[in-house]
Amino acid sequence: KNEVEQSPQNLTAQEGEFITINCSYSVGISALHWLQQHPGGGIVSLFMLSSGKKKHGRLIATINIQEKHSSLHITASHPRDSAVYICAVRVGTNFGNEKLTFGTGTRLTIIP
Amino acid sequence: EAQVTQNPRYLITVTGKKLTVTCSQNMNHEYMSWYRQDPGLGLRQIYYSMNVEVTDKGDVPEGYKVSRKEKRNFPLILESPSPNQTSLYFCASSYAGGPYNEQFFGPGTRLTVL
Repeated sequence: KNEVEQSPQNLTAQEGEFITINCSYSVGISALHWLQQHPGGGIVSLFMLSSGKKKHGRLIATINIQEKHSSLHITASHPRDSAVYICAVRVGTNFGNEKLTFGTGTRLTIIP
Repeated sequence: EAQVTQNPRYLITVTGKKLTVTCSQNMNHEYMSWYRQDPGLGLRQIYYSMNVEVTDKGDVPEGYKVSRKEKRNFPLILESPSPNQTSLYFCASSYAGGPYNEQFFGPGTRLTVL
């Protein structure tokens, strides 16, 4: 079982719909990232979270440390939001071993 | 413009022919890292560097070497490439603290080893 699981793997929605992408992890973490990979392959960082909630424009990211779960929400979705969304975690809380472990991504398609 | 650059962007080579993929950042970031991305497996970390002359293995370091002689550069070296190293490679950088900070990714290098 992967340490980081994302759901759904694929999601197709109509323009304007509210989107939720989930990330669950099985180990203790100290940081969680949400990344966006465009159809052309480029990767952009959306959020880095260690607790609570962050908002940027139409995107909202939340994390529940106790439940080992994070969600990425997109409000008023638009075709330009079509991309692969990737969750990544920094496993553990001790210094050293500063690497990221990734989920396999959620492919989002927004239909006009 | 703040950016991470990688070269080459595309490379087709043959088994055993040594190659280097360069990575450079102009943001004075301490942390740099290499990842490979394969279908169904997602991104996996190869090596990372917390600062000049400080490197450490990620999850899939076998068959790769790195060096960090200057803060801005972090080349990935394949001494004897094999077909299982065919992949899409990304370099990334961030401020000190690595995974505790926003990651900036390069555009990717698509490598095919025949």
